[in-house]
Amino acid sequence: DAGVTQSPTHLIKTRGQHVTLRCSPISGHKSVSWYQQVLGQGPQFIFQYYEKEERGRGNFPDRFSARQFPNYSSELNVNALLLGDSALYLCASSLTGISYNEQFFGPGTRLTVL
Amino acid sequence: DQQVKQNSPSLSVQEGRISILNCDYTNSMFDYFLWYKKYPAEGPTFLISISSIKDKNEDGRFTVFLNKSAKHLSLHIVPSQPGDSAVYFCAARVTQGGSEKLVFGKGTKLTVNP
Repeated sequence: DAGVTQSPTHLIKTRGQHVTLRCSPISGHKSVSWYQQVLGQGPQFIFQYYEKEERGRGNFPDRFSARQFPNYSSELNVNALLLGDSALYLCASSLTGISYNEQFFGPGTRLTVL
Repeated sequence: DQQVKQNSPSLSVQEGRISILNCDYTNSMFDYFLWYKKYPAEGPTFLISISSIKDKNEDGRFTVFLNKSAKHLSLHIVPSQPGDSAVYFCAARVTQGGSEKLVFGKGTKLTVNP
């Protein structure tokens, strides 16, 4: 059974551009969470979606948005990219989103903003 | 404001000995604590968790201890193996008004020497 998949693996953008990152959860999982991991730091929570509704939001500006589709896959969108948005973006899926010990992470998308 | 702190960026131990990784937190609303292990180029992998109503949880070579009065938790690995070499993240869950999020520490890089 496939794990959490993310695309693309790597991405290079310039300041001011827009980016869309994609995540496919483990089959049967209905919750998806997004994290940003800057070099040398732990993952920082951005969003959680469960059954296509937003269940949690971290301290990120409105340039960051996300959505979850009927098949439970998810997109993270970032507008007006800044240099500081360069990071590894992690997606995690879980059955219900309530028990974090069942949360499985994907390998991440490495975003570089020049 | 860092609510979950891992004050040791790195730890080196000999194979067969005990590894002790520490984590401190400041938010009394955290109700669940988790440890994740991360290898390079992979997403974090869940290791072990503990509810805030317990003080110990054991799973094979891994034991997590929680001291609520001190707002401190630790992960013990006995015996340590070279394959345990990775970055270990402490994380805590907070649930508020139907939303939930995980707060991660910065991580501790464990090196187990053969």
